[in-house]
Amino acid sequence: GDSVTQMEGPVTLSEEAFLTINCTYTATGYPSLFWYVQYPGEGLQLLLKATKADDKGSNKGFEATYRKETTSFHLEKGSVQVSDSAVYFCALSESAGGTSYGKLTFGQGTILTVHP
Amino acid sequence: DADVTQTPRNRITKTGKRIMLECSQTKGHDRMYWYRQDPGLGLRLIYYSFDVKDINKGEISDGYSVSRQAQAKFSLSLESAIPNQTALYFCATSEAGQRRAFFGQGTRLTVV
Repeated sequence: GDSVTQMEGPVTLSEEAFLTINCTYTATGYPSLFWYVQYPGEGLQLLLKATKADDKGSNKGFEATYRKETTSFHLEKGSVQVSDSAVYFCALSESAGGTSYGKLTFGQGTILTVHP
Repeated sequence: DADVTQTPRNRITKTGKRIMLECSQTKGHDRMYWYRQDPGLGLRLIYYSFDVKDINKGEISDGYSVSRQAQAKFSLSLESAIPNQTALYFCATSEAGQRRAFFGQGTRLTVV
């Protein structure tokens, strides 16, 4: 079955540091890939997505590129802020044939803490 | 997204009790989902529904049941709660053509 593996956490950085959170996946078809973010006490929000190979998703200074050859979708940000402290989830959806984009397989989540 | 509302937000219940978690949405989406979040495990799909007459089991449906009362309402029931069902539960919605899901704020359930 499908699976998503994220780098072990938690991750602690100083403000303005560079962030990378690794994500790799296994899937039988041609999945769409997502990063969702969960701020303290809140539900998940879509951060960015990519629906085909070599697509780059970006939002709020975060970027991730869909790499089919390495089955990866690593999240990066050049300069993190304290307000980026949250839990980040990599996820995939088997979107071929119109399968629902809400039926998601998630990674285990990475807790990011950014200090001033 | 406040358009997906879960009630209650927090609940403590005793082992063996029946409990229902409710989800309602104002987005007009036809697809609804229940997920469970456990530390270190991410979110796992419990049940999902593509329309009112369609109910499907997810990865971890044992011990749970659902009811889709209307397009806008999707309830999750624990018939006889057990301590290892202590978790954070999320409802989500999606719609064909919108390549994303929308999540509620979650229900924190503790079974003692």
